[in-house]
Amino acid sequence: DIVMTQSPDSLAVSLGERATINCKSSHSVLYSSNNKNYLGWYQQKPGQPPKLLIYWASTRESGVPDRFSGSGSGTDFTLTISSLQAEDVAVYYCQQYYTTPTFGQGTKVEIK
Amino acid sequence: EVQLVESGGGLVQPGGSLRLSCAASGFTFSSYEMNWVRQAPGKGLEWLSYISSDGATIYYAASGRGRLTISRDNAKNLLYLQMNSLRAEDTALYYCAREGGYSNGYKRGGFDIWGQGTMVTVSS
Repeated sequence: DIVMTQSPDSLAVSLGERATINCKSSHSVLYSSNNKNYLGWYQQKPGQPPKLLIYWASTRESGVPDRFSGSGSGTDFTLTISSLQAEDVAVYYCQQYYTTPTFGQGTKVEIK
Repeated sequence: EVQLVESGGGLVQPGGSLRLSCAASGFTFSSYEMNWVRQAPGKGLEWLSYISSDGATIYYAASGRGRLTISRDNAKNLLYLQMNSLRAEDTALYYCAREGGYSNGYKRGGFDIWGQGTMVTVSS
């Protein structure tokens, strides 16, 4: 299995400031046939199911605010929230689907 | 409205069995690949199983191989997960999730629709 490791486990950011979450995979998730990274990012708020934010490492899902962006390739990826809003408090997960899916352990984002 | 609704969870004794169901609506169920994912209380997400749109291709996580059986009934818009030999560590909220379709001929990936989950508690 491909192991996904997120950092940090938690972070506290002031409202309006940038939040950055990192995700590292134990194996490249870049699919050579289409040059797409098979990586997604999810947001999970308390008592709710996860919500897909980003797929192909950098493509925002329909309806996701543009303050959320994904970057990276191969084995190293980043989710950035450019200006943290109160409603962004959640746990964020990365997921690879290059092989049978695996998730990172999650990063909890709070307001400082 | 695109929706997935899980059912079938509950309290079961160690060694027991449960069959979870996931009812799909608002989209052409037979066109989409589906998955089961679980989340133990206070823990992260764990993928369990995948089934292709026609049911011909199935994958399981190592943690569930031999104890889980995924299936679907496209005529009834239903997804199932049969769970046997349940253990205390199987206690979790079980979600069904739709896999994102295809874009420009390539698999888009990611789980774009999730149900609210059904809770399974394994305890004597």
